[in-house]
Amino acid sequence: DSGVTQTPKHLITATGQRVTLRCSPRSGDLSVYWYQQSLDQGLQFLIQYYNGEERAKGNILERFSAQQFPDLHSELNLSSLELGDSALYFCASSALPPDTQYFGPGTRLTVL
Amino acid sequence: DAKTTQPNSMESNEEEPVHLPCNHSTISGTDYIHWYRQLPSQGPEYVIHGLTSNVNNRMASLAIAEDRKSSTLILHRATLRDAAVYYCILRAPGNTPLVFGKGTRLSVIA
Repeated sequence: DSGVTQTPKHLITATGQRVTLRCSPRSGDLSVYWYQQSLDQGLQFLIQYYNGEERAKGNILERFSAQQFPDLHSELNLSSLELGDSALYFCASSALPPDTQYFGPGTRLTVL
Repeated sequence: DAKTTQPNSMESNEEEPVHLPCNHSTISGTDYIHWYRQLPSQGPEYVIHGLTSNVNNRMASLAIAEDRKSSTLILHRATLRDAAVYYCILRAPGNTPLVFGKGTRLSVIA
């Protein structure tokens, strides 16, 4: 158990819909990262927050957004969903130093 | 980001040592070498990291070439539980994101 929790575990929805994925980092970790894992693209970094502020952006679509709240939990919002958004979404958290990232169990999103 | 090259797959017998290679010829002087692994149906898991010197921890050892252009992750006695995809990642210091390649899929045979 990494100490990072993600909800829900599974999500099935339809194209065009909007969903919210939630992540609670390890106690005390200020950094939260979101990654997407699909069969064709592998594991890709989406976005990073540090203590409530956006820190780095990766291959995140404009239809996707995220935020980190004062209690340090984070949410990833995916809107206007397409079939290609079906993937595993992982959240990770880390502390400074040594910057080791601890990953949650992931949310499996299926868009029908 | 500097790139790493790993074999697509490797196979090992249980209880045998495993050496997983990684080439990173364009590594910069400040890049750390990180290894993560992903067991089936789980999120990635940190294994080990180093900068210049060889490193050991309870999971594995990391041997880094003198010129830092390659490294090897060593699992001293592979178990069935070690079957996973192993990722070698170069990472700038600080709280930076991980850039995953395709990794090496390790199969362990009983």
